[in-house]
Amino acid sequence: AQSVTQLDSHVSVSEGTPVLLRCNYSSSYSPSLFWYVQHPNKGLQLLLKYTSAATLVKGINGFEAEFKKSETSFHLTKPSAHMSDAAEYFCVVSEPSGGYNKLIFGAGTRLAVHP
Amino acid sequence: DAGVIQSPRHEVTEMGQEVTLRCKPISGHNSLFWYRQTMMRGLELLIYFNNNVPIDDSGMPEDRFSAKMPNASFSTLKIQPSEPRDSAVYFCASRGTGGANTGELFFGEGSRLTVL
Repeated sequence: AQSVTQLDSHVSVSEGTPVLLRCNYSSSYSPSLFWYVQHPNKGLQLLLKYTSAATLVKGINGFEAEFKKSETSFHLTKPSAHMSDAAEYFCVVSEPSGGYNKLIFGAGTRLAVHP
Repeated sequence: DAGVIQSPRHEVTEMGQEVTLRCKPISGHNSLFWYRQTMMRGLELLIYFNNNVPIDDSGMPEDRFSAKMPNASFSTLKIQPSEPRDSAVYFCASRGTGGANTGELFFGEGSRLTVL
């Protein structure tokens, strides 16, 4: 079975500094990987996805992630944090299961952005 | 596009009462998912429908939980009788056919359930 591990439950950065949210996965297939963001009291929204095309994936709001097969990682980055980036971020792997693609969610990383 | 619509947004009830959560997926989407989110367990998939048919209900906790999708535009998740440990945020998400291999789900804003 596939799984995903988010290495930090909380990350705190200052506004204008880089963001790094770490994610490692285990998979016996060529995985599809995603990052979703959840703002307070909201549903989850897709940030970006990797589906075996380019290994560097660009998403919304200036976020990007790089798929590194040798490291089984899919870390999320942003060059400069904005206050509005404060949210919870979920790394997700897609696993074939019973004829459909089941999404396996990580535990989440809560990002705090300070002025 | 109105997005995935869930109701009620908040529900407070007493133990033993029946709870019904409702979801209207995005028009044209053929897959619907119910998730439960808690601090302790994170996001858990409860049930997945494809073309109104339940495909995977292995995440439904127990017989107190049931879900239906009578048509392509409506689904319910029912808990009867409810217990305090059912307190959580319940999300409905839908996916179109184009997203079947890319995993993009569109989530509603959730129904926050508190069982006293």
